[in-house]
Amino acid sequence: GAGVSQSPSNKVTEKGKDVELRCDPISGHTALYWYRQSLGQGLEFLIYFQGNSAPDKSGLPSDRFSAERTGGSVSTLTIQRTQQEDSAVYLCASSLGAVMREQFFGPGTRLTVL
Amino acid sequence: AQTVTQSQPEMSVQEAETVTLSCTYDTSENNYYLFWYKQPPSRQMILVIRQEAYKQQNATENRFSVNFQKAAKSFSLKISDSQLGDTAMYFCAFTNTGTASKLTFGTGTRLQVTL
Repeated sequence: GAGVSQSPSNKVTEKGKDVELRCDPISGHTALYWYRQSLGQGLEFLIYFQGNSAPDKSGLPSDRFSAERTGGSVSTLTIQRTQQEDSAVYLCASSLGAVMREQFFGPGTRLTVL
Repeated sequence: AQTVTQSQPEMSVQEAETVTLSCTYDTSENNYYLFWYKQPPSRQMILVIRQEAYKQQNATENRFSVNFQKAAKSFSLKISDSQLGDTAMYFCAFTNTGTASKLTFGTGTRLQVTL
């Protein structure tokens, strides 16, 4: 079946603009995660959704970052008033459940803020 | 807070040889899981191997095996019979059993397999 998909693959924006990144998880996966991978760094957890529970937003770096998950499926990560330090690859992952299920990753969106 | 450290930014190995990637972690938890993920140039993160902390036996997956030393908080990955397709970034990752499985990653080791 289809894996996790993300769009766009690459996004170039100007400082101060808002951007939206999309993630389509594997069908039936109830858990969805967003991570950020900055140049030369490992992945940094941003936010987690599990079913209808309130999301775990503990990894969001500032209030310019927000995410939603509609209908328990597609998720959108929004970055408002982008800054150059937001430039990174944003990876989405999904899993069948929350606890100790393998996370399947999408190919990521490379965001470049000029 | 948990931390994961990979002290080898880059490594190189010849095809068919064996290479070991190092990982150490810090946690006060007793139950947790450890993972090695591979990220080729396509950016797609792929799970290579996982280890449950309560299991003493080291996990193996074909040419990939781990050396899990719980007391030393060490979790190294051994790749045997290296292949050109093993060229990638390798990330060590950790999660507690009591959390929602959000992963804490190391900074990665870039592995180059050469002819």
